[in-house]
Amino acid sequence: SQQGEEDPQALSIQEGENATMNCSYKTSINNLQWYRQNSGRGLVHLILIRSNEREKHSGRLRVTLDTSKKSSSLLITASRAADTASYFCATEKDSNYQLIWGAGTKLIIKP
Amino acid sequence: DAGVTQSPTHLIKTRGQHVTLRCSPISGHKSVSWYQQVLGQGPQFIFQYYEKEERGRGNFPDRFSARQFPNYSSELNVNALLLGDSALYLCASSLVVGRYNEQFFGPGTRLTVL
Repeated sequence: SQQGEEDPQALSIQEGENATMNCSYKTSINNLQWYRQNSGRGLVHLILIRSNEREKHSGRLRVTLDTSKKSSSLLITASRAADTASYFCATEKDSNYQLIWGAGTKLIIKP
Repeated sequence: DAGVTQSPTHLIKTRGQHVTLRCSPISGHKSVSWYQQVLGQGPQFIFQYYEKEERGRGNFPDRFSARQFPNYSSELNVNALLLGDSALYLCASSLVVGRYNEQFFGPGTRLTVL
């Protein structure tokens, strides 16, 4: 079963705009991670935020985590055509360090 | 350094057959995890191995099995293939098993069951 749910399922924006994706989960976690996947191939790790952190930045990426609401958001600023991909959140459970994944948000950046 | 490698890239099988998928982790990584990703969905955890021992198993039937070799490479075996086993099978490696351990993914093996 999947732990996280991403919202929206699909997002289409113009190049240069900001893209925001959300993730909700159900159980307590060690950390939450965001990954990118191009064309149904391998996953690329983007950023990890620990359960005791509230915000984290990496380049054009900004991730927030609200453990009280069991939700996270990924913001991509100044989007580029190369950002077109599917984005997944994955939560690491405290008990067994396994990653539980959401269904992903498909992001399309229009030139 | 080479990343995680998987073979084969694509595979077509018929129902009832058996398949073996292979994964070589990043040099120095001792943990390998396997995931199944059905089209349009997120990955589902199948197995995790560390130091040749199974450390975790997802909700998959006994038709799925795996092992890790002394060189830390791994095989995923699926018996009695069903149409529903058609998916992208992803392998990920990490240094160890534990908190905050980043997993590095291979490109996947696309399995089609006819």
